[in-house]
Amino acid sequence: KNQVEQSPQSLIILEGKNCTLQCNYTVSPFSNLRWYKQDTGRGPVSLTIMTFSENTKSNGRYTATLDADTKQSSLHITASQLSDSASYICVVRGSNTGKLIFGQGTTLQVKP
Amino acid sequence: SQTIHQWPATLVQPVGSPLSLECTVEGTSNPNLYWYRQAAGRGLQLLFYSVGIGQISSEVPQNLSASRPQDRQFILSSKKLLLSDSGFYLCAWSFGFGDTEAFFGQGTRLTVV
Repeated sequence: KNQVEQSPQSLIILEGKNCTLQCNYTVSPFSNLRWYKQDTGRGPVSLTIMTFSENTKSNGRYTATLDADTKQSSLHITASQLSDSASYICVVRGSNTGKLIFGQGTTLQVKP
Repeated sequence: SQTIHQWPATLVQPVGSPLSLECTVEGTSNPNLYWYRQAAGRGLQLLFYSVGIGQISSEVPQNLSASRPQDRQFILSSKKLLLSDSGFYLCAWSFGFGDTEAFFGQGTRLTVV
């Protein structure tokens, strides 16, 4: 069964600190992977997309990495801000169905 | 450009009452459509997805049903709501294949009392 697993489930860090969120997937064949940010009570918004040939990509203070061999991706947030408090969701397109498979997300709380 | 509309934003319904949530997409043809539910403090749970008119796949057994009467219209329904149906419901669309980007509606906060 195609799955996307994220860790940790939740995370609390102090403002200004860095953190790394993990995403492991078993979806195959793999096309691409996205990280989303979801603020409370809102729909998720895309942060970055990783394709099969890409190893790392940055979007401001967010840096995503991808290891297609081990089927692992990470999202690194540097110099965290209070506004980074949200759920971060990893999503992979299903093998041949076109269905998007979402991880359960990591809830990040940044404290002052 | 494409837009997605989902309504209502909030809904309070008594147990046993029916439900109908509607989602429409503009600016694209033959999108994949999704209904997700998110319980408080939990991740997104895929309820239904559709790759075309009248084609609905159910991910989990539940008290809900979905229909796609038109290409860009997706409806989530229930004949009799349960307390456990409370949650945050999100409609989303994506292109059929290729990019994994999904575009979400603003969500419906459903409270069953």
